[in-house]
Amino acid sequence: DTGVSQDPRHKITKRGQNVTFRCDPISEHNRLYWYRQTLGQGPEFLTYFQNEAQLEKSRLLSDRFSAERPKGSFSTLEIQRTEQGDSAMYLCASSAQPNTEAFFGQGTRLTVV
Amino acid sequence: ELKVEQNPLFLSMQEGKNYTIYCNYSTTSDRLYWYRQDPGKSLESLFVLLSNGAVKQEGRLMASLDTKARLSTLHITAAVHDLSATYFCAVEGASGTYKYIFGTGTRLKVLA
Repeated sequence: DTGVSQDPRHKITKRGQNVTFRCDPISEHNRLYWYRQTLGQGPEFLTYFQNEAQLEKSRLLSDRFSAERPKGSFSTLEIQRTEQGDSAMYLCASSAQPNTEAFFGQGTRLTVV
Repeated sequence: ELKVEQNPLFLSMQEGKNYTIYCNYSTTSDRLYWYRQDPGKSLESLFVLLSNGAVKQEGRLMASLDTKARLSTLHITAAVHDLSATYFCAVEGASGTYKYIFGTGTRLKVLA
């Protein structure tokens, strides 16, 4: 399967713990995006990479969130000191270039208890 | 900052009927995408619209883009139950960025 892959698919964590999610984009795609989606809402932009450079980060993203894309391949999203409000679906997407659609992974569903 | 709004937010329609979903956005862009999302699933790309006047059709769905009006429409012809899902429009490239900004979504339910 050559689609966008995310791991894990589900994560339950206690409030205050740190969590890390991984995204493997489609191999020839140099653009990678992270989004967050809560029930009944559209995907909310978090951050965007072109190759290994993080070009944009949402102002909504607190200092507890950090993302990396070493070597311009896979990406990780870390949430430190999780809060109940962080419970959401975290979606990763990749695209080859402007003027093309982004392809989404299956998402990581985070539940903070 | 770019705002993308869809209406209606909820749509319940009978099989065989036609309807249109509207997507309005607040700043200049000529790149708009439509996605479908089934409950608990990820987003599936439906249409890519890259210029003013662009029209794309796939089966019972047809999407169009009017960049001057900052409006895209998704028209459903003779709806069937399998079209029940949430539909999102997303705008790319507004204000020199390459992120995709999504609309609020339209939850469509087609009744048999």
